[in-house]
Amino acid sequence: QQKVQQSPESLSVPEGGMASLNCTSSDRNFQYFWWYRQHSGEGPKALMSIFSDGDKKEGRFTAHLNKASLHVSLHIRDSQPSDSALYFCAALYNTNTGKLTFGDGTVLTVKP
Amino acid sequence: EAAVTQSPRNKVAVTGGKVTLSCNQTNNHNNMYWYRQDTGHGLRLIHYSYGAGSTEKGDIPDGYKASRPSQENFSLILELATPSQTSVYFCASAGGATETLYFGSGTRLTVL
Repeated sequence: QQKVQQSPESLSVPEGGMASLNCTSSDRNFQYFWWYRQHSGEGPKALMSIFSDGDKKEGRFTAHLNKASLHVSLHIRDSQPSDSALYFCAALYNTNTGKLTFGDGTVLTVKP
Repeated sequence: EAAVTQSPRNKVAVTGGKVTLSCNQTNNHNNMYWYRQDTGHGLRLIHYSYGAGSTEKGDIPDGYKASRPSQENFSLILELATPSQTSVYFCASAGGATETLYFGSGTRLTVL
């Protein structure tokens, strides 16, 4: 079964710092990677998707995909306390079904 | 912003009882999904649907049924609830297989 492995499990950064989250697919037949963010008591919300090698930037968030190593990362610059949340990576392996396979998540804490 | 509404927000059920979790979306999305979220397991797909009248098994369908009577509504049914089904359940919708997944706020189910 295809799996998505996230690291680290938890991460603490100071306000204004850079947070880096990692994700690796067990199967090279992924089509897209997604990053979702979940604040406590809420449902996950999409941050961005990436499917081409290289960087994709949206505001303070940059995703980097390396297809050869099956690895995607998310970098958050100028981290804010409001960025404190659970971050999920998800892989889409089959564009016919739309089924996303989620990792177990990384808990990010941004300390003022 | 796409809207997905789940009810109830919290539910306490007894072992062996029947539980129905409801989901409504006003986005006119074809695809709808039911996930459960447990600590250490991220989000796991239970059932999904491509449109009214269709349901498909996800990765962990055992003990659950789903019903999609209309474009807007997608229900998750536990015919004989067990304590192992205690979890937080999320419904989501998407316009297509590669499009953003929009999640509801979740239903916290406790089976005693």
